[in-house]
Amino acid sequence: ELKVEQNPLFLSMQEGKNYTIYCNYSTTSDRLYWYRQDPGKSLESLFVLLSNGAVKQEGRLMASLDTKARLSTLHITAAVHDLSATYFCAVDAGSNFGNEKLTFGTGTRLTIIP
Amino acid sequence: NAGVTQTPKFQVLKTGQSMTLQCAQDMNHEYMSWYRQDPGMGLRLIHYSVGAGITDQGEVPNGYNVSRSTTEDFPLRLLSAAPSQTSVYFCASSRAGGSSGNTIYFGEGSWLTVV
Repeated sequence: ELKVEQNPLFLSMQEGKNYTIYCNYSTTSDRLYWYRQDPGKSLESLFVLLSNGAVKQEGRLMASLDTKARLSTLHITAAVHDLSATYFCAVDAGSNFGNEKLTFGTGTRLTIIP
Repeated sequence: NAGVTQTPKFQVLKTGQSMTLQCAQDMNHEYMSWYRQDPGMGLRLIHYSVGAGITDQGEVPNGYNVSRSTTEDFPLRLLSAAPSQTSVYFCASSRAGGSSGNTIYFGEGSWLTVV
């Protein structure tokens, strides 16, 4: 059974600081997704990582994937208040056809303090 | 461009009642899925479909039923609601992509309370 663990679960950081959220998963997979969720809202797709060594960046967020270590990171650079949200990673759970089955981590609630 | 549309957004049910959560997508996506989100937990897969007429169980299927008669619609039925089914339900869709890792789009969610 695939397990996906995120840490930390809660993160308060000051504006302007850098930090990293970690996502570990228990079985082989070469497809990993990062999502953002604001309170009471749906999930917004941030990144899709498809291969070992994949790195993607959008604004102050950068995600990477190490399939050998079964680890993905979401790095936040010079945090701003607008990045306050809950961030989820999700791993393909052995889909037969594509990405129809995902296993999600428990999420990291990020709060940026002015 | 509506994307993934879920109805209703909020619903209160009594224990033992049945209801259907509706999900429709207008992107001609082959894949559709239902997830539930409970406090302090990530989303968990209930049922999924890889095309019209094809459905399968996810991680937590008990108490739920699905069908996929058209590409656009993927309703989730609660057969006899229980308080343990109080949750936020998300419908998702994506293109068939094999190894391409297509973006998965989520609906706005349906907040269900069973009393």
